[in-house]
Amino acid sequence: AQSVTQPDIHITVSEGASLELRCNYSYGATPYLFWYVQSPGQGLQLLLKYFSGDTLVQGIKGFEAEFKRSQSSFNLRKPSVHWSDAAEYFCAVGPRGYSTLTFGKGTMLLVSP
Amino acid sequence: DTAVSQTPKYLVTQMGNDKSIKCEQNLGHDTMYWYKQDSKKFLKIMFSYNNKELIINETVPNRFSPKSPDKAHLNLHINSLELGDSAVYFCASSQDVAGGTEAFFGQGTRLTVV
Repeated sequence: AQSVTQPDIHITVSEGASLELRCNYSYGATPYLFWYVQSPGQGLQLLLKYFSGDTLVQGIKGFEAEFKRSQSSFNLRKPSVHWSDAAEYFCAVGPRGYSTLTFGKGTMLLVSP
Repeated sequence: DTAVSQTPKYLVTQMGNDKSIKCEQNLGHDTMYWYKQDSKKFLKIMFSYNNKELIINETVPNRFSPKSPDKAHLNLHINSLELGDSAVYFCASSQDVAGGTEAFFGQGTRLTVV
């Protein structure tokens, strides 16, 4: 069975500082990998996804993620965080056969002035 | 122009009642889903429908009955509500059922059972 681990429940970053959110997955093969963001009271919005090819993936809002097969990781990064980035971030994996997603437990990002 | 819309946004009800949550997507997608987000924000797939046909049921109690009258709608009916059903329920849709297809989520329905 596939699973996703986001080891940090919450992270506080100063505005303008860089950000890295960790994600590790367990799956028999290389799954499809996603990062979603959930703002308070909102649904989930896709930031980026990895299917194959270049292991560094660019997404919306200045986010990027790097797939590392040897570490089973798909960490999310942003060089300079803005206050509007404060939200809950979910890493998810999807099997190659179906479009359903398995989510991690989320990381709450707090941005300090 | 909401892509995936759910109603109601909030639902407070007593234990034992029956309630429904409606979901509609205007994206022309073939596949729709219900996900449950518990109090610890953990999101888990409940059901997946493709062209009105149930394709995934993730060991959800049979008090939960999804209904898809057409491929643009996937409603969730819950019988005999229990305290543990309190959660945020998200509807989502994707172009098709193939792996890796991007899912678009609604804004969620916060269900509180008292």
